[in-house]
Amino acid sequence: QVRLVQSASELKKSGASVRVSCKTSGYTFTRYDITWVRQAPGQGLEWMGWISPFNGMTNSPRSFQGRVTLTTDTSTSTAYMELRNLRSDDTAVYFCAREGYDSSEGAYDIWGQGTRVTVFS
Amino acid sequence: QSVLTQPPSMSAAPGQKVTISCSGSSSNIADNFVSWYQQLPGTAPKLLIYDDDKRPSGVPDRFSGSKSGTSATLAITGLQPGDEATYHCGTWDRGLSAVVFGGGTKLTVL
Repeated sequence: QVRLVQSASELKKSGASVRVSCKTSGYTFTRYDITWVRQAPGQGLEWMGWISPFNGMTNSPRSFQGRVTLTTDTSTSTAYMELRNLRSDDTAVYFCAREGYDSSEGAYDIWGQGTRVTVFS
Repeated sequence: QSVLTQPPSMSAAPGQKVTISCSGSSSNIADNFVSWYQQLPGTAPKLLIYDDDKRPSGVPDRFSGSKSGTSATLAITGLQPGDEATYHCGTWDRGLSAVVFGGGTKLTVL
């Protein structure tokens, strides 16, 4: 059974950093890219970037460049997302997801359960 | 403000058909495959449609996707109470070099 299990909720002060983990199981970790998506309260989905566990290549939108770091640990089949210099508008649920189809960007077939990150000032 | 435009809400009765639109531009929908997701309250999104019109295994054929030009559509037939959820569209935008989503459509099954 393919599963993505994320770390627990986080409460952070403005200016701090947060690191969310996404432990995968049930498939070959290096075969599929991992994407990170977040959802602010009552809002839509926002793409934060992807990482290839095969070669470590990453891609993130300009809105997050300089603040987000995506990494993987192939020995534990785990992906990580670190977001720095947190602001109140970073309060959101953060999801990791597997890019299940080579044919298209944005097709995520398996999702983690989400990690709630709350930023306070 | 989302790059892709969806109606914020829709409603329909059980058994009816509903179509949810997703409007974009030449830099996103027109040139790239569209995906659709169903999100029940408090849960992660679930992939319903990928590559414009393909269903992952296990997704009922009541759900179908189509695309024409800069717009995509998700159709749901034989509405059931369990279909009450928020539906999101997404695709790649070559101008932004990013995956973009619609704001989501909250579907109420009356």
